[in-house]
Amino acid sequence: QKEVEQDPGPLSVPEGAIVSLNCTYSNSAFQYFMWYRQYSRKGPELLMYTYSSGNKEDGRFTAQVDKSSKYISLFIRDSQPSDSATYLCAANSGGYQKVTFGTGTKLQVIP
Amino acid sequence: DTAVSQTPKYLVTQMGNDKSIKCEQNLGHDTMYWYKQDSKKFLKIMFSYNNKELIINETVPNRFSPKSPDKAHLNLHINSLELGDSAVYFCASSHRDTDNSPLHFGNGTRLTVT
Repeated sequence: QKEVEQDPGPLSVPEGAIVSLNCTYSNSAFQYFMWYRQYSRKGPELLMYTYSSGNKEDGRFTAQVDKSSKYISLFIRDSQPSDSATYLCAANSGGYQKVTFGTGTKLQVIP
Repeated sequence: DTAVSQTPKYLVTQMGNDKSIKCEQNLGHDTMYWYKQDSKKFLKIMFSYNNKELIINETVPNRFSPKSPDKAHLNLHINSLELGDSAVYFCASSHRDTDNSPLHFGNGTRLTVT
């Protein structure tokens, strides 16, 4: 069993829809949770970074962590075609510990 | 002014050959990494160096040997390449002692072994 599990999709939504991307994890030591966006033929880039449980909002993006259920979510409001990419959730137990990634969910936003 | 740069971008080679991938970062970070991404997009850490010292060494065949001449460079040498080594290899960097320091990735080296 992988430490971070993610539905690979693909997920297709119409432009303007609210997108919900989810991950579960098994390692109770994880305290830092991240979402990375990866466009085709590019490296992953950090979207959101949260510590412990709670919500964090940045523009159209909201990251949510529920440590009691070991559940991580990313919500995208008013989705745009430019949001079409693979979204990777990730977690680690400290800034200097290795980051463990999910397998990524491929999102396509259709104009 | 690319932050993390890798060369080459594409590498096509035959089984049994030896090849190297180079990585350089100009972000002033003290920690660098190699990650392998397979065809299903799963990103798995291979190695991590902090100030030229190896700090993470996952279960990777010893045909893979990282080398860090200084904290801005981390190269990956692969001996006796096998078909299963075909993947995209990403270099990344961060500040080790800063909890809020995210990984910065290069754009990857797409290795194809035939």
